[in-house]
Amino acid sequence: AAGVIQSPRHLIKEKRETATLKCYPIPRHDTVYWYQQGPGQDPQFLISFYEKMQSDKGSIPDRFSAQQFSDYHSELNMSSLELGDSALYFCASSLERGQGDYEQYFGPGTRLTVT
Amino acid sequence: AQKITQTQPGMFVQEKEAVTLDCTYDTSDPSYGLFWYKQPSSGEMIFLIYQGSYDQQNATEGRYSLNFQKARKSANLVISASQLGDSAMYFCAMRDDSGGGADGLTFGKGTHLIIQP
Repeated sequence: AAGVIQSPRHLIKEKRETATLKCYPIPRHDTVYWYQQGPGQDPQFLISFYEKMQSDKGSIPDRFSAQQFSDYHSELNMSSLELGDSALYFCASSLERGQGDYEQYFGPGTRLTVT
Repeated sequence: AQKITQTQPGMFVQEKEAVTLDCTYDTSDPSYGLFWYKQPSSGEMIFLIYQGSYDQQNATEGRYSLNFQKARKSANLVISASQLGDSAMYFCAMRDDSGGGADGLTFGKGTHLIIQP
C-alpha cells in the first residue's frame, strides 16, 4: 500500500540557512501533520492542515512556516536555522474526521542536521 | 491540556513471552483517542493500534491489544508471543476528539523494549 512520502530523507544545513521539507500524503488523505523529534525525545506536534487551511497549531517556532497545496502535499519551511533544529521531522497524513477512521500514518521522516 | 505518562523507560523480555507496556493519561477532553506507535532503530513511526474513548470494547490488531481502563485512565499495550522483531521504542499517544479539525497527537516519553532470545 502507498505510504506517506517525505523528501529529502536527509538534509545538512549550516546555521542561519533555510530549509524546505516536503510531504506527499497517502492517496485520498486530505489532512497532513508535521512533527519534530529531537535526539532521544518523543515527537512534538508542530502544525496540521486540512483542505489547505491550518487546522491545529502546536509548538512550531515563528521561524517555521508551512502550507498545504491543492494536491494535498505540504511543505515545511524553516528559516534562520539553529543548532537546536537538528532533529527528525515527520509528516503524517490522515482522512478528515467524519470520513471514517482517521488514524495518522507517519512518513519515514527527514533527518535535518544543522552545523 | 493532555498528558501521557509511560513509566517504563526500558524493558527486557524473553522471546515468546507476553509483554505489557504501561500508559496512563490525563485529559479534560470529553472525547479522545489513544494510540500506540512503534519506532524501530531505523526511525520510522509505525501505527499499531487505536482506541476511542467511547469504544466499549478493547481494540485488538493481530498480536497487539489495548487494555483500556477508562476509570483508571490507563491504556496499556499488550503484545502476545513476543518476537525478536518487536525490539523497538514504543510510544503511547493521545488526541483530542471532542472538537473539529485535525488535532495533533501528544506523545509519552516512550518505552524501549528489548526482546531477548
